[in-house]
Amino acid sequence: GAGVSQSPRYKVAKRGQDVALRCDPISGHVSLFWYQQALGQGPEFLTYFQNEAQLDKSGLPSDRFFAERPEGSVSTLKIQRTQQEDSAVYLCASSLEVSRAYEQYFGPGTRLTVT
Amino acid sequence: GDSVTQMEGPVTLSEEAFLTINCTYTATGYPSLFWYVQYPGEGLQLLLKATKADDKGSNKGFEATYRKETTSFHLEKGSVQVSDSAVYFCARTATGGGNKLTFGTGTQLKVEL
Repeated sequence: GAGVSQSPRYKVAKRGQDVALRCDPISGHVSLFWYQQALGQGPEFLTYFQNEAQLDKSGLPSDRFFAERPEGSVSTLKIQRTQQEDSAVYLCASSLEVSRAYEQYFGPGTRLTVT
Repeated sequence: GDSVTQMEGPVTLSEEAFLTINCTYTATGYPSLFWYVQYPGEGLQLLLKATKADDKGSNKGFEATYRKETTSFHLEKGSVQVSDSAVYFCARTATGGGNKLTFGTGTQLKVEL
């Protein structure tokens, strides 16, 4: 079936604006992850959902970052009052089984540029 | 804390050359280890994995062996192709059984004719 999809693929925001990034995981996948990838770096963990429950948000860099997955499928990552240091590619990944949640399927990412 | 260290790129090879990309990890817990690949313009794809010491992961001609004694998981391929040009990321699971992954900084591979 279809893979993980993310929208928009590119987003330019002025400093101080709020943005919302969407992730559609593979149908039936229980686990969902968000990662942040700065230019030239590896992805860094932000947060993890198991169905609709947010079980780990230890990687969210500040209280300006908020993620939700209200019905256990689509997820939204919201960044309030964007700053230049928020410029990065935001990756979403999903996994079918909780017991093998380390086998993650990644979406193409949303490239956020804050000007 | 958990970390993964990979050799810096870019690595430039001629087609049919032997490839090694080094990866070491911090010796905390009993992680599962992975190699992900990112082709130009595409998302990260799982290339191979190993879940315990001495396991060998393999896929598409690539191999990596989980070496606990050297805390390493080096990626190898006997004969690279131009189509292997991509960025390769080594990753580990978090200590304590968490599902999040810790990635290295990535190694860009360029294969030329």
